Amino acid sequence: QQQVKQSPQSLIVQKGGISIINCAYENTAFDYFPWYQQFPGKGPALLIAIRPDVSEKKEGRFTISFNKSAKQFSLHIMDSQPGDSATYFCAATDSWGKLQFGAGTQVVVTP
Amino acid sequence: EAQVTQNPRYLITVTGKKLTVTCSQNMNHEYMSWYRQDPGLGLRQIYYSMNVEVTDKGDVPEGYKVSRKEKRNFPLILESPSPNQTSLYFCASSLRQGANSPLHFGNGTRLTVT
Repeated sequence: QQQVKQSPQSLIVQKGGISIINCAYENTAFDYFPWYQQFPGKGPALLIAIRPDVSEKKEGRFTISFNKSAKQFSLHIMDSQPGDSATYFCAATDSWGKLQFGAGTQVVVTP
Repeated sequence: EAQVTQNPRYLITVTGKKLTVTCSQNMNHEYMSWYRQDPGLGLRQIYYSMNVEVTDKGDVPEGYKVSRKEKRNFPLILESPSPNQTSLYFCASSLRQGANSPLHFGNGTRLTVT
């Protein structure tokens, strides 16, 4: 049973558009929420992360929004580019450092 | 270059034939872990190691073994592979287990068991 539920499974967005990926969790012991980006033929790599004492974190075109009361967090990719086409995984870490991944979202950005 | 190296990248084998997937990291990381990636299921942890000679089960350990005799190496052993172990496998390492230590992943091993 997945402890972090991620949606959608896939999405197609036009160049310049906004990609939004949502994740939800139940375990209130989670205290760190990273996002990993995976290109075809490669392993995942850390993209951006947030702690629950912050409601938003922005790094370039990538923004995490965090809603602690709803136990939800999301990744927004602004001005999406073809080079952003990848699979994105949300994840959550508990105080022991154990990482739980969501199922992944395949993002395709069309030219 | 700091990296996690897995070998082989692709492997096709038959049911019951023992195999080993090697993993090596050159970053002096204490923590190493194996994941399998399956469509719709994301990345699931198989085994992990907090340091040399310290290993523990992850979420899906059945049918797998690991060892950590040296800090840099963390091989994954399938003693008697079965078709349900057909998957994409990733080795990962970090300085230590925890939020302040991002995972560094290898490029994966695609295993097919017929």
